[in-house]
Amino acid sequence: EAGVTQFPSHSVIEKGQTVTLRCDPISGHDNLYWYRRVMGKEIKFLLHFVKESKQDESGMPNNRFLAERTGGTYSTLKVQPAELEDSGVYFCASSQALRDTQYFGPGTRLTVL
Amino acid sequence: AQSVTQLDSQVPVFEEAPVELRCNYSSSVSVYLFWYVQYPNQGLQLLLKYLSGSTLVKGINGFEAEFNKSQTSFHLRKPSVHISDTAEYFCAVTPPPGKLIFGQGTTLQVKP
Repeated sequence: EAGVTQFPSHSVIEKGQTVTLRCDPISGHDNLYWYRRVMGKEIKFLLHFVKESKQDESGMPNNRFLAERTGGTYSTLKVQPAELEDSGVYFCASSQALRDTQYFGPGTRLTVL
Repeated sequence: AQSVTQLDSQVPVFEEAPVELRCNYSSSVSVYLFWYVQYPNQGLQLLLKYLSGSTLVKGINGFEAEFNKSQTSFHLRKPSVHISDTAEYFCAVTPPPGKLIFGQGTTLQVKP
């Protein structure tokens, strides 16, 4: 069974540009989470989908971040326009049920210059 | 609100020595507790978790952790480490159900 996959693995963009990160959860997992780790800091929760609905988006930093999960399968996280402080590693995780173990993808390293 | 503190950012240890990685949490409600590990260039992998029941939890790769409610701690231990245990370790809690709240991470450096 394939694990959680994320694309791209690395992205380097300039300030003001737009970047879209993609996450493919484990097949059949209704719950999908986005987290971010800014260098030197802890991993922080961004938002949680249950199927295609946003269950909790309390961790989204601001309105430059837009997450979608059309059809309840893969998810995208768009940053527009990107700022320097958006640099970090973005992790996606999925779980089958709400209380189940969250399985993480390898992350996308975003660098904003 | 919940918070997690990992007291050591780096822990150097020689191969075959025992190790303890410390984790303390703060919460006004009951929580589930987790330890994740991130090997170089990989995603986070679950080592072990405490949901309820026995306070001593055994995980993969010979790791174990003990939940201490009175001290609000969930320290991770291994009696004898290997070079391959070199990685970053994260303690996390979740006020059930939902999002994980992580500590800052501890880098375990196992030396030959």
